[in-house]
Amino acid sequence: AQTIHQWPVAEIKAVGSPLSLGCTIKGKSSPNLYWYWQATGGTLQQLFYSITVGQVESVVQLNLSASRPKDDQFILSTEKLLLSHSGFYLCAWTSTGVEVFFGKGTRLTVV
Amino acid sequence: QQKVQQSPESLTVSEGAMASLNCTFSDGTSNNFRWYRQHSAKGLEVLVSIFSDGEKEEGRFTAHLNRANLHVSLHIREPQPSDSAVYLCAVSMNSGSWQLIFGSGTQLTVMP
Repeated sequence: AQTIHQWPVAEIKAVGSPLSLGCTIKGKSSPNLYWYWQATGGTLQQLFYSITVGQVESVVQLNLSASRPKDDQFILSTEKLLLSHSGFYLCAWTSTGVEVFFGKGTRLTVV
Repeated sequence: QQKVQQSPESLTVSEGAMASLNCTFSDGTSNNFRWYRQHSAKGLEVLVSIFSDGEKEEGRFTAHLNRANLHVSLHIREPQPSDSAVYLCAVSMNSGSWQLIFGSGTQLTVMP
């Protein structure tokens, strides 16, 4: 069975500090991977997607970057956090678009 | 660019009464449509996925899709207080990456 794991579950970080959020998918090869972000009270927005290792496409510019160093790993990062980065981050995967599987998310608070 | 709008923004119903939520989209060529539930900004729980015009039932949740009217709805039969959550409509587009476009959600409150 496929599993999706996000880490950390929650983070409190200072403005200007670096950030790294991770997502790992087990049991599925070559999935399409996605990062979504939801500001408090806001709409879920797709930030990045990746169809294959080493290739990442940006959908929304938020001064964040993403990388796919391995087939089963998707990383979201920035060198300098902004207050506006606070929110809820979700990783997701699909192989056919018929079913989309989401992780449990990371709650980020920037202070 | 696909636009997804949900109504109402919030809905309060009594326990046991039918709850009906609406979602309109701008591009009728979308592949499929999903309803998710989100409790207090936690992970997403998929409720119903629908691909063809008509009706799809999953337990107490029924989705109705009408592509010609660019409309998909969700009906919750016999809602319970535990069903209180934000309900999200998502439209899937195959633009090479199976992009999911979400609506802004309907906050459902079920009163005992």
